[in-house]
Amino acid sequence: NAGVTQTPKFRVLKTGQSMTLLCAQDMNHEYMYWYRQDPGMGLRLIHYSVGEGTTAKGEVPDGYNVSRLKKQNFLLGLESAAPSQTSVYFCASSPTGGGQPQHFGDGTRLSIL
Amino acid sequence: GQNIDQPTEMTATEGAIVQINCTYQTSGFNGLFWYQQHAGEAPTFLSYNVLDGLEEKGRFSSFLSRSKGYSYLLLKELQMKDSASYLCAVRVSRDGANNLFFGTGTRLTVIP
Repeated sequence: NAGVTQTPKFRVLKTGQSMTLLCAQDMNHEYMYWYRQDPGMGLRLIHYSVGEGTTAKGEVPDGYNVSRLKKQNFLLGLESAAPSQTSVYFCASSPTGGGQPQHFGDGTRLSIL
Repeated sequence: GQNIDQPTEMTATEGAIVQINCTYQTSGFNGLFWYQQHAGEAPTFLSYNVLDGLEEKGRFSSFLSRSKGYSYLLLKELQMKDSASYLCAVRVSRDGANNLFFGTGTRLTVIP
């Protein structure tokens, strides 16, 4: 079982470029999440989805868009990258939004120059 | 907003016991998770408390007091591989959603 897989693992972008981060899970989970992790800030929720075709804003959604066209995939898009978006991005999934733990991918390290 | 505090760094000796504290101030509290994160890796689930009291899982235990807004993670018989960051995350019910808010993490170093 692969669990939660994120691609790419590393990426360097120039300011103003766009890109999409892909998250795939094979656990048939309903809920999926995108976080960013910055030094001294902890994990912060960007967007989340409670099921196929749904998305919702988290704590820090500005500058990002998401889509959940298939249950197993959750895409995070940066339309016009900014240096402030340099971070490590983690995707997670959970069966529901209840007390079950979230399972995290290995992260995408993104640098914006 | 959510206010979640935990110490930034701790050091402990192999074989010893260490307690990592987490305090929180939030409305809509609906449970508390502890995650372990080794450097450069994904967070992995350790424990979940929703009721007051102690949950024990092998060498790891977690305690919750909802009235005090306080939790701790207890690691016994420390091993070198326990060197990692430990993340406290509060589950908050708000506007129909149940999302996690994370503390900044406690970096634990285990020394011989």
